[in-house]
Amino acid sequence: SQQGEEDPQALSIQEGENATMNCSYKTSINNLQWYRQNSGRGLVHLILIRSNEREKHSGRLRVTLDTSKKSSSLLITASRAADTASYFCATDAGPPFWSSGDKLTFGTGTRLAVRP
Amino acid sequence: DGGITQSPKYLFRKEGQNVTLSCEQNLNHDAMYWYRQDPGQGLRLIYYSQIVNDFQKGDIAEGYSVSREKKESFPLTVTSAQKNPTAFYLCASTPRGVSNQPQHFGDGTRLSIL
Repeated sequence: SQQGEEDPQALSIQEGENATMNCSYKTSINNLQWYRQNSGRGLVHLILIRSNEREKHSGRLRVTLDTSKKSSSLLITASRAADTASYFCATDAGPPFWSSGDKLTFGTGTRLAVRP
Repeated sequence: DGGITQSPKYLFRKEGQNVTLSCEQNLNHDAMYWYRQDPGQGLRLIYYSQIVNDFQKGDIAEGYSVSREKKESFPLTVTSAQKNPTAFYLCASTPRGVSNQPQHFGDGTRLSIL
């Protein structure tokens, strides 16, 4: 089953604009991660935010986490054509779901296209 | 360079045939994972292994089998019982379990039916 749902499914912006993607999940989590996937390639880890953190930055990336709303957002500032990819959130179950095992549950992804 | 190597990049399966996808890592990671990705979809977990000689079923294990005889290797066999095998298969690893650790991915194997 897929716990995370990204929104929007697809996003097209002009180079230099900001891109915001959202992720909602259903059960409590230990942490939430964001990954990028270029077409036909494997996933690349971008950032991990723990359940007791509210915001995290890495370069042009800003991730927020609202555990009360079971949602997270990924903001890419000053986008570049090279940011064109699919972006996925993934969650690691927290209590009382420890028995689900040490595994990530991925969302369905947001396809981002950045026009030069 | 450390990383995960998946082979082959493209694979074709005939009706009734078993095929094996290779995944090798030189990261000295304990845990390894196999995912299936269908077009426009997220990743679904097939099998995972946290230690040599042990593995667990994921969400969609039917029609697949794995082995973990060596720490570096986690091959996936797509059996003839898997009626819809056409997909992109991704292998990943982490130093231990996933909690608070990013997964490292290979570049995938694309499997099609002849």
